[in-house]
Amino acid sequence: EAGVVQSPRYKIIEKKQPVAFWCNPISGHNTLYWYLQNLGQGPELLIRYENEEAVDDSQLPKDRFSAERLKGVDSTLKIQPAELGDSAVYLCASSLDVTGDTQYFGPGTRLTVL
Amino acid sequence: SQQGEEDPQALSIQEGENATMNCSYKTSINNLQWYRQNSGRGLVHLILIRSNEREKHSGRLRVTLDTSKKSSSLLITASRAADTASYFCATDSGSARQLTFGSGTQLTVLP
Repeated sequence: EAGVVQSPRYKIIEKKQPVAFWCNPISGHNTLYWYLQNLGQGPELLIRYENEEAVDDSQLPKDRFSAERLKGVDSTLKIQPAELGDSAVYLCASSLDVTGDTQYFGPGTRLTVL
Repeated sequence: SQQGEEDPQALSIQEGENATMNCSYKTSINNLQWYRQNSGRGLVHLILIRSNEREKHSGRLRVTLDTSKKSSSLLITASRAADTASYFCATDSGSARQLTFGSGTQLTVLP
């Protein structure tokens, strides 16, 4: 069974440029999560989807961050414009449902903003 | 914000020794989970312990939970060099069923 797929694995951009990350969750997983992980820290939730509905986006900086999950499968996370402080690893995870079940993580996208 | 705090922040041991990591949290929980993260990789789920459980085993892993002290411990027995990684506790609390991760313990197992 394929795991959570993320692309790109690495991205280097200059500040004020836009950037997008893509995630394909495990087949059949209804719940999808985007996390931000700073160096030496644990992941912090940005947004959670149940199918195509964003049910928890309270931690998403909505002035520059946006996300979508069309058809309740793949998801994209976008930053426009990127700032220096956005440099981090962006992790995608999925789970069968939201009832505190195990989350399966992708390898992450390491973003460097110059 | 991070609910859990792992202790110690870093731990270095010799292969074959046991490694113990602790996690403290602040609010009541539905369950607590431990994850491992190898350098440059995503997190891998290790074990889940529910709020009404006190101890759980999985292979060389032993997890305890003390809800009265709001703390958990992860014991890795007979450690191997391949156990070198960061270990995170994550709490599932409240009706939102959102996982909140601690800042992790960096474990180094020396061959």
